[in-house]
Amino acid sequence: DTAVSQTPKYLVTQMGNDKSIKCEQNLGHDTMYWYKQDSKKFLKIMFSYNNKELIINETVPNRFSPKSPDKAHLNLHINSLELGDSAVYFCASSNSFGQTTNEKLFFGSGTQLSVL
Amino acid sequence: AQKITQTQPGMFVQEKEAVTLDCTYDTSDPSYGLFWYKQPSSGEMIFLIYQGSYDQQNATEGRYSLNFQKARKSANLVISASQLGDSAMYFCAMREGLNGNKLVFGAGTILRVKS
Repeated sequence: DTAVSQTPKYLVTQMGNDKSIKCEQNLGHDTMYWYKQDSKKFLKIMFSYNNKELIINETVPNRFSPKSPDKAHLNLHINSLELGDSAVYFCASSNSFGQTTNEKLFFGSGTQLSVL
Repeated sequence: AQKITQTQPGMFVQEKEAVTLDCTYDTSDPSYGLFWYKQPSSGEMIFLIYQGSYDQQNATEGRYSLNFQKARKSANLVISASQLGDSAMYFCAMREGLNGNKLVFGAGTILRVKS
């Protein structure tokens, strides 16, 4: 019954590896997001997709590649992981494509990525 | 420039008392929305309350209320009758009408409720 689910919850890996985080929402929302929360708890948007189409790409290194096979899924693939990629990554969804200001985000539970 | 500023890195409050968490914002867009989220130590992000820029009244949701002062560009969260379970990180966020896809967050305030 989880509205926005992301897996895995924890990801520990070596520098240089490639890893993916999966996200699925069952809310019927059109828009999905990836946010990064750094060690100081600051939350910053990385990407936004609307109906499988990339809408926002916030100057994220191209080692990060989101993929949206359908509007219910938004996965994040990270190539050549670096120490600085260690963070918590949150997937989120919202109903509309920014047409109203009252659309709240529904967040997944986060993926804690640790790069060693 | 910072869109959302939360000047209190940490706050303490005695159980059962009220506490105000500050948030100021910066926008030239007349249409915007302000949100507060709670992040407990377990890490999930929980939506608390929303205030629209055109809303005439301050938003309230149970023990949460938003003290919206538009001219001052502030949207402070008031938690009444604090409970131990209110101990968490609190984030203020804004969505602008012209850039409506993006919810921009402040740096957060850690609230600790003392028994």
